[in-house]
Amino acid sequence: GDSVTQMEGPVTLSEEAFLTINCTYTATGYPSLFWYVQYPGEGLQLLLKATKADDKGSNKGFEATYRKETTSFHLEKGSVQVSDSAVYFCALSDLGTYKYIFGTGTRLKVLA
Amino acid sequence: DAGVIQSPRHEVTEMGQEVTLRCKPISGHDYLFWYRQTMMRGLELLIYFNNNVPIDDSGMPEDRFSAKMPNASFSTLKIQPSEPRDSAVYFCASSPGTGGRDTQYFGPGTRLTVL
Repeated sequence: GDSVTQMEGPVTLSEEAFLTINCTYTATGYPSLFWYVQYPGEGLQLLLKATKADDKGSNKGFEATYRKETTSFHLEKGSVQVSDSAVYFCALSDLGTYKYIFGTGTRLKVLA
Repeated sequence: DAGVIQSPRHEVTEMGQEVTLRCKPISGHDYLFWYRQTMMRGLELLIYFNNNVPIDDSGMPEDRFSAKMPNASFSTLKIQPSEPRDSAVYFCASSPGTGGRDTQYFGPGTRLTVL
């Protein structure tokens, strides 16, 4: 079945450091890919998404590119801020379904 | 728009009691999802509805859990009887269902503690 694998956390970075959170997937079809962010005590919010190969999703300085050849959707940001501290979830939704498959989440902590 | 609304935000109950969690989806959204989040198991889809009809309840852990959606603006998740292992954060989410693979919009969650 479909699955999403994220890098284990927590990830601890200093402010202004470069961020990469790895995400790979397996899917029988041609999925859409998502990154969601969860701040402490809140629900998940969509951060960015991509619906086809080579699409780049971007928002708030975060980017991720849909790589079909490597089945990956890695999240990157050039300069993190303390306010980016949160849990980040990679997810997919396959064609013909309204269900998401979520990764286990990666906790990011950014130190001032 | 007010977003997805869940109530209560926190619930503390004793083992054996009935618990009812409530959700109001975003107006006009055709799909509603219930999730459970724990440290051990992460985020799990319990059940989802399309136009008030349950489509997939394969994630409901056991018969103690039930969910209903009597109309387009309201859904409940009931646990009867509750057990300590049900302690978790329960999220409701909705999506417009415009063509599949839509963005899901999450509520703030209900933190359930069963003593």
